[in-house]
Amino acid sequence: SQKIEQNSEALNIQEGKTATLTCNYTNYSPAYLQWYRQDPGRGPVFLLLIRENEKEKRKERLKVTFDTTLKQSLFHITASQPADSATYLCALGPKNTDKLIFGTGTRLQVFP
Amino acid sequence: NAGVTQTPKFQVLKTGQSMTLQCAQDMNHEYMSWYRQDPGMGLRLIHYSVGAGITDQGEVPNGYNVSRSTTEDFPLRLLSAAPSQTSVYFCASRASSYNEQFFGPGTRLTVL
Repeated sequence: SQKIEQNSEALNIQEGKTATLTCNYTNYSPAYLQWYRQDPGRGPVFLLLIRENEKEKRKERLKVTFDTTLKQSLFHITASQPADSATYLCALGPKNTDKLIFGTGTRLQVFP
Repeated sequence: NAGVTQTPKFQVLKTGQSMTLQCAQDMNHEYMSWYRQDPGMGLRLIHYSVGAGITDQGEVPNGYNVSRSTTEDFPLRLLSAAPSQTSVYFCASRASSYNEQFFGPGTRLTVL
């Protein structure tokens, strides 16, 4: 069956460290992958998009990698801050459809 | 620009009642989608549309209807509410397949 898996357990890290979140998928052939941030009680907000032919994308303190062989994307936040505490969602755009399918999300907690 | 707007913000229904969740966007986006979000399940796609007059089913379409008569509006109809439809519903829009998706603030629905 098709799955998009993110760590269900919260990730707790100390301020200043690099947070790394994982998104694994099975039985999908994605054309691209997106990452979103969601704060409690609010809708998700887009962060980054990476296409299947791209290995890495950066935006300020954020970095995303995409390995279609491993079927995995990694999302890094460098020099993390308490304000980065939120749930982070990955989303796949499968080839040959117009759907955008989301993973379950990982909650990140950055403590001072 | 208001972005993506949803009404109502909160709703309580009795089993068997019907209702329509409203969604509108003012960004002239072709793509619009409805998701539901439940604890531990992430965002699940209910229905989506790639333009006025065109709709398709997502992962969990049963019990819901949609129509897209204009570019701006994409209402979601619950035909006969069931307790299993208790959830937070998000509407979203994007310009095209590879673009970032903008989410509305959500509707929290409780079915008793």
